[in-house]
Amino acid sequence: QLQLHESGPGLVKPSETLSLSCYVSGAFVSNNRYSWGWIRQAPGKGLEWIGSIYYTGRTYYNPSLKSRVGISLDTSNNQFSLKLTSVTAADTAVYHCATARHGAGYYYMDVWGKGTTVTVSS
Amino acid sequence: QSVLTQPPSASETPGQRVTISCSGSGSNIGSNTVNWYQHLPGTAPKLLIYSTNQRPSGVPDRFSGSKSGTSASLAISGLQSEDEADYFCAAWDNSLNGFYVFGTGTKVTVL
Repeated sequence: QLQLHESGPGLVKPSETLSLSCYVSGAFVSNNRYSWGWIRQAPGKGLEWIGSIYYTGRTYYNPSLKSRVGISLDTSNNQFSLKLTSVTAADTAVYHCATARHGAGYYYMDVWGKGTTVTVSS
Repeated sequence: QSVLTQPPSASETPGQRVTISCSGSGSNIGSNTVNWYQHLPGTAPKLLIYSTNQRPSGVPDRFSGSKSGTSASLAISGLQSEDEADYFCAAWDNSLNGFYVFGTGTKVTVL
């Protein structure tokens, strides 16, 4: 059974880099059936897709975050990671990792982690 | 930044049918399939409908999805109290280098 679990600091200072990891069990992150992504929800806001990484290492990012975000695979530890630089209070949110299925004309995120709360504050 | 527009709220009495709309454009809904997620506070969003009208295993057939042109809809029939939640549509957008976009979200209230 595929499961994902986010981990990382719950508090980040403004202007610093937010770093989160997502440990995957039940599948290998190198599996070509999946891609891996990050989504967040700020307080009182809707869901916001951050980006995804394919098993090949190819990445896709939300255009509004593209200049600050990086997603990478760690096949040796079967996890993938998110880095978001120059954070501000607007980056305070619950961050979820998820698996994605993709192909010609379709993309959906079907298995989600429970999420981890990140607060940006000095 | 969402480019998929949903009504902020919808409500109906138990047993009735509620429909939620999702309006997009040719680069997202017009070109790709649509997904729907159910989100309860404090929990992980749940995939409700994928590829416009497919239900994952375990999702009741009270939930159905459809699409026409650049708009999509989620229908919930036989509304139950446990359906009270936030619902988000989502689709891949082919513009720029490609990205996934969620709708603005609809709060469904069971009266």
